[in-house]
Amino acid sequence: QSALTQPPSASGSPGQSVTISCTGTSSDVGGYNSVSWYQQHPGKAPKLMIYEVTKRPSGVPDRFSGSKSGNTASLTVSGLQAEDEADYYCSSYAGSNNLVFGGGTKLTVL
Amino acid sequence: QVQLQESGPGLVKPSETLSLTCAVSGYSISSGYYWGWIRQPPGKGLEWIGNIYHSGNTFYNPSLKSRVTISVDTSKTQFSLRLTPVTAADTAVYYCARYSNTWRADYWGQGTLVTVSS
Repeated sequence: QSALTQPPSASGSPGQSVTISCTGTSSDVGGYNSVSWYQQHPGKAPKLMIYEVTKRPSGVPDRFSGSKSGNTASLTVSGLQAEDEADYYCSSYAGSNNLVFGGGTKLTVL
Repeated sequence: QVQLQESGPGLVKPSETLSLTCAVSGYSISSGYYWGWIRQPPGKGLEWIGNIYHSGNTFYNPSLKSRVTISVDTSKTQFSLRLTPVTAADTAVYYCARYSNTWRADYWGQGTLVTVSS
């Protein structure tokens, strides 16, 4: 199994929107609605931000949203805030009881 | 509140065995969910290692399967990771987490750095 493909970096100014992509195949992202997104600040554990493609856990701001089209899932952060600067990782169920992560995207708030 | 806490040696010699334990509080492992391990080499991304269900069913990353064992203790308050033999490439922060049946990790431990070096 190969890692999902994410852009290494993304950026935006406060108040703007940024979208991070996560590209896989029909065997993972495209084949299941088990895509999750995690936020990780330096030195901290990852935090679940989106699950099952579009759902937000309690406590996650509605500025964070998820979607999927074909083999590509996306995380959109609207109304960027300074505290959104972090690394973001996607993950997807890949069949046969396997899970695969993306390589991560460093989001910079300019 | 569900809490997870990793523990174990921070330094392991090459060719030896890495053993970590994850203590779970605020939730009984026997009540359900999957319990898993994820690692992150310094400066790199996340890698799923494997999960275990409370019944003992295990699922492993195919790339690590031959070297990994995840188990749940009989008290059902902790689960463990065993990786052998290790090389420098296994140096990473190791996290334990609770997984749902839709493969989302909703609770994570703080992580523990394990360095493989002689």
